[in-house]
Amino acid sequence: KNEVEQSPQNLTAQEGEFITINCSYSVGISALHWLQQHPGGGIVSLFMLSSGKKKHGRLIATINIQEKHSSLHITASHPRDSAVYICAVRSNNDMRFGAGTRLTVKP
Amino acid sequence: DSGVTQTPKHLITATGQRVTLRCSPRSGDLSVYWYQQSLDQGLQFLIQYYNGEERAKGNILERFSAQQFPDLHSELNLSSLELGDSALYFCASSSGTSGASSYNEQFFGPGTRLTVL
Repeated sequence: KNEVEQSPQNLTAQEGEFITINCSYSVGISALHWLQQHPGGGIVSLFMLSSGKKKHGRLIATINIQEKHSSLHITASHPRDSAVYICAVRSNNDMRFGAGTRLTVKP
Repeated sequence: DSGVTQTPKHLITATGQRVTLRCSPRSGDLSVYWYQQSLDQGLQFLIQYYNGEERAKGNILERFSAQQFPDLHSELNLSSLELGDSALYFCASSSGTSGASSYNEQFFGPGTRLTVL
């Protein structure tokens, strides 16, 4: 079993829909990152969390340390949000990555 | 543009060869991280340097080595290359005062695509 599990693996949505991507982890962590990887391959760091909730524009990330779970929400999704979203956890000076969620938003 | 630069963008080489990938962090960032992204294993953390010193080690093979120079740029050396080393190699940088225990956001470079034939 992977230490970082993401769901769903693939997600297709219509423009305007509310999106939720989930990440569960099984190790103790010092921080959790949400990354966005565009079709061209470039990676952008969206959030880094160690507790609570963060918001940036239409993106919201939450983390529940006790339940070892984080969610990434996208409100009013847009085709430009189409990308792979990757959850990564920092644990004992190591970084572990989820397999990613491929999001496609259709106009 | 994250401010992190990586060269070269693409690299094609043969098995058994040695290559060097270069990364220049964002101005002022002291930490540099190296990651490998392959089709079968996804993203993996290789190694972190902070202000010239190794601070954390992940799944880095013994055939691979890295260093961070006084001007803070970093190089990842891959030797005795195998077909399975074909991957995207990303460098990221972050600021931070405590090296391996830094929780700061990372900024990723565009990556170097390595193809081993």
